[in-house]
Amino acid sequence: GAGVSQSPSNKVTEKGKDVELRCDPISGHTALYWYRQRLGQGLEFLIYFQGNSAPDKSGLPSDRFSAERTGESVSTLTIQRTQQEDSAVYLCASSLGGGSGYTFGSGTRLTVV
Amino acid sequence: AQRVTQPEKLLSVFKGAPVELKCNYSYSGSPELFWYVQYSRQRLQLLLRHISRESIKGFTADLNKGETSFHLKKPFAQEEDSAMYYCALIPLSGGYQKVTFGTGTKLQVIP
Repeated sequence: GAGVSQSPSNKVTEKGKDVELRCDPISGHTALYWYRQRLGQGLEFLIYFQGNSAPDKSGLPSDRFSAERTGESVSTLTIQRTQQEDSAVYLCASSLGGGSGYTFGSGTRLTVV
Repeated sequence: AQRVTQPEKLLSVFKGAPVELKCNYSYSGSPELFWYVQYSRQRLQLLLRHISRESIKGFTADLNKGETSFHLKKPFAQEEDSAMYYCALIPLSGGYQKVTFGTGTKLQVIP
């Protein structure tokens, strides 16, 4: 596609339920990031995929968070047993790598009630 | 490890006044520096990158390797410049090219 696509755009879930967020990067982009952005806050790094290398999971806040990416295509971020503090906008970005700029998706707004 | 520091969380200026959003970095090798902008209810987008040496929407940024800075400047602020601005660094040397973002500066242009 022309840009980075994220789905759903909005998700309201009950505390304790699992959610899965999807990111479709730009075709051919080898690098993919997930970030979290709480209301009025900056970007919080979650996880980084680069080609076939092992992902950098150093930003995942707890073991309730996990992410997968198959090759250089779609990525899913899963949050298990959601908590109210998980409420935020989850952003995905992709890049060709090698110093290229990143293209961001419009994010998924997650609200845990 | 690289680090990007944006010391101001909020910067308020009057319309027509000059703007300087500060960004300092620490990285021992050769970096690629970027500025991203996020307008209200819009997605983050690339504003400019140092390697292209361009001016976008009147903004410029010069990489100062001596001071390890990449401040974003505009001579006359406009109301539509109000947004969140993020400075970012990608290391060009070495095999691990993970981008590092600063914490962001909210620019508020007062009419």
